[in-house]
Amino acid sequence: AQSVSQHNHHVILSEAASLELGCNYSYGGTVNLFWYVQYPGQHLQLLLKYFSGDPLVKGIKGFEAEFIKSKFSFNLRKPSVQWSDTAEYFCAVNPTSGTYKYIFGTGTRLKVLA
Amino acid sequence: ETGVTQSPTHLIKTRGQQVTLRCSSQSGHNTVSWYQQALGQGPQFIFQYYREEENGRGNFPPRFSGLQFPNYSSELNVNALELDDSALYLCASSSPKGLAGENYEQYFGPGTRLTVT
Repeated sequence: AQSVSQHNHHVILSEAASLELGCNYSYGGTVNLFWYVQYPGQHLQLLLKYFSGDPLVKGIKGFEAEFIKSKFSFNLRKPSVQWSDTAEYFCAVNPTSGTYKYIFGTGTRLKVLA
Repeated sequence: ETGVTQSPTHLIKTRGQQVTLRCSSQSGHNTVSWYQQALGQGPQFIFQYYREEENGRGNFPPRFSGLQFPNYSSELNVNALELDDSALYLCASSSPKGLAGENYEQYFGPGTRLTVT
């Protein structure tokens, strides 16, 4: 079955620390990849996306992610986090064949200490 | 703001009742997907509607049904509510690009928080 794993459920960092959130998926075909963020009380917002081309993609607010096809991974990174990055982060995979559903991971709750 | 709106914001129902949730898609989008997000979980795909037809369904029982209207807005109906149906219900709209509808992104609404007691 298709699935997405986010290894870290809760992460606590101090401001200016570097961030890396893991995301692995199980699907043998071509996929589109996304990271979404959900700030407290707000709706899901797209951070970045990968469709094809350069496997290193840059998103909003200084976030980037690297697609490593051989490892079925799409890890999210930020060199220096801010208190305002406190939120829940979701990785999502969209198989490009069949239905157009997104398969989400269970999310990583990030808390940044000021 | 994505331009996707959902109503109502919150809803409390009793087990066994029926509920209808509504979604207005972003202008220009012809596809609506519905997701269920239980507490502490990621969103789970319920189904998708494309030009008023169901275009794929997740692992949800038939008491979860939907509609899409000519203006591309959509409804999610849940019959015979169970306690486990308590969740945030998310609507996402999109407009597939590419020859086979690939390479597109979904824009999420704020969700409807359903509590079943």
